[in-house]
Amino acid sequence: GENVEQHPSTLSVQEGDSAVIKCTYSDSASNYFPWYKQELGKGPQLIIDIRSNVGEKKDQRIAVTLNKTAKHFSLHITETQPEDSAVYFCAAALQDKFYFGSGTKLNVKP
Amino acid sequence: DAGVTQSPTHLIKTRGQQVTLRCSPKSGHDTVSWYQQALGQGPQFIFQYYEEEERQRGNFPDRFSGHQFPNYSSELNVNALLLGDSALYLCASSRQGPYEQYFGPGTRLTVT
Repeated sequence: GENVEQHPSTLSVQEGDSAVIKCTYSDSASNYFPWYKQELGKGPQLIIDIRSNVGEKKDQRIAVTLNKTAKHFSLHITETQPEDSAVYFCAAALQDKFYFGSGTKLNVKP
Repeated sequence: DAGVTQSPTHLIKTRGQQVTLRCSPKSGHDTVSWYQQALGQGPQFIFQYYEEEERQRGNFPDRFSGHQFPNYSSELNVNALLLGDSALYLCASSRQGPYEQYFGPGTRLTVT
């Protein structure tokens, strides 16, 4: 199966700064990489995704990059706001199975 | 358009009992996946249903079983509950294939 590792486990930034979360995966056949935001007491919310035939994707303040050769992908959040505080999960899809990282708790200090 | 819904929200069961959790997918979706999320961890894939059949299965014992109905809704059944089954159970719906999965709010199961 697939193994997804996510770093860091916690990240604290000042409001307005950028935040970067990194993930690596083990199986080169994985072809879809979503990112989820999970707030306390809620289910994960899809915030952005990227497919293996694309190197970068951006949606307003959020961007994701994918390096297939190195088998890693990253989430970039610019101009962070207090409401960005949550746990973020990366995932890799292999044969329609989603494998999740262990999560990054992001704290944006006002 | 209603998103993914799950019931019940919370559930407390005793070790050895059986439990059934329910999920209604997002409109237009035909595939339902179930995940177990232990506290402080990422979701772990249990299984996926499409066309009323189990299509994929993660590393979970046979005590975990499911069903999908003709209207695409789904149930997760867990038999002979263990203390270690205490977790948030998440349902995600999608269209078949490597498409976006949308999660419901989850069912918090506590086994005492």
